[in-house]
Amino acid sequence: GQNIDQPTEMTATEGAIVQINCTYQTSGFNGLFWYQQHAGEAPTFLSYNVLDGLEEKGRFSSFLSRSKGYSYLLLKELQMKDSASYLCAVQDSNYQLIWGAGTKLIIKP
Amino acid sequence: SQTIHQWPATLVQPVGSPLSLECTVEGTSNPNLYWYRQAAGRGLQLLFYSVGIGQISSEVPQNLSASRPQDRQFILSSKKLLLSDSGFYLCAAITGTDMYEAFFGQGTRLTVV
Repeated sequence: GQNIDQPTEMTATEGAIVQINCTYQTSGFNGLFWYQQHAGEAPTFLSYNVLDGLEEKGRFSSFLSRSKGYSYLLLKELQMKDSASYLCAVQDSNYQLIWGAGTKLIIKP
Repeated sequence: SQTIHQWPATLVQPVGSPLSLECTVEGTSNPNLYWYRQAAGRGLQLLFYSVGIGQISSEVPQNLSASRPQDRQFILSSKKLLLSDSGFYLCAAITGTDMYEAFFGQGTRLTVV
């Protein structure tokens, strides 16, 4: 079966760095996505990785290792507004998105 | 750029009543359209997806149904709601030219009482 695993909840301090991991087992692979979702709102796109390596976009970076079925989202200089759930999703061979349950990130002052 | 309109934003319905949620897409043509449900604190559960007018695939057996009467219109329906149908419903679109990103509507918070 297809499976996406990520931690349920993480806590970090304002101004610090946090890494959210995601491992996956899917039928084929056409890319991995990270989305941010604030409570009660729709998810918004953060990043996309289809090749191995690190993609950097401002304070957010995303890494992919296809051979290990592994990705992480790195958030630097954390701000209180970064408190949200972070969803990992993999696009399988049929271009369907398989979603993880999300990681709730709590930022403390 | 794509815009997805989804309404209503919130809905409270009694058990046994019908449901109709509508989603329309602007700024693209021939999108793949999706209905997801998200329980509190949980991930996204795919309910239905459509690759074209009149083409609906169901992922989860349930008392919900979906229809796509027009290219950019996707409707989620039920004849009789159950308490377990409560949740946050999201419509999403992925275009044929940007297959790597999903755009979401604002979501509908459905409470069945």
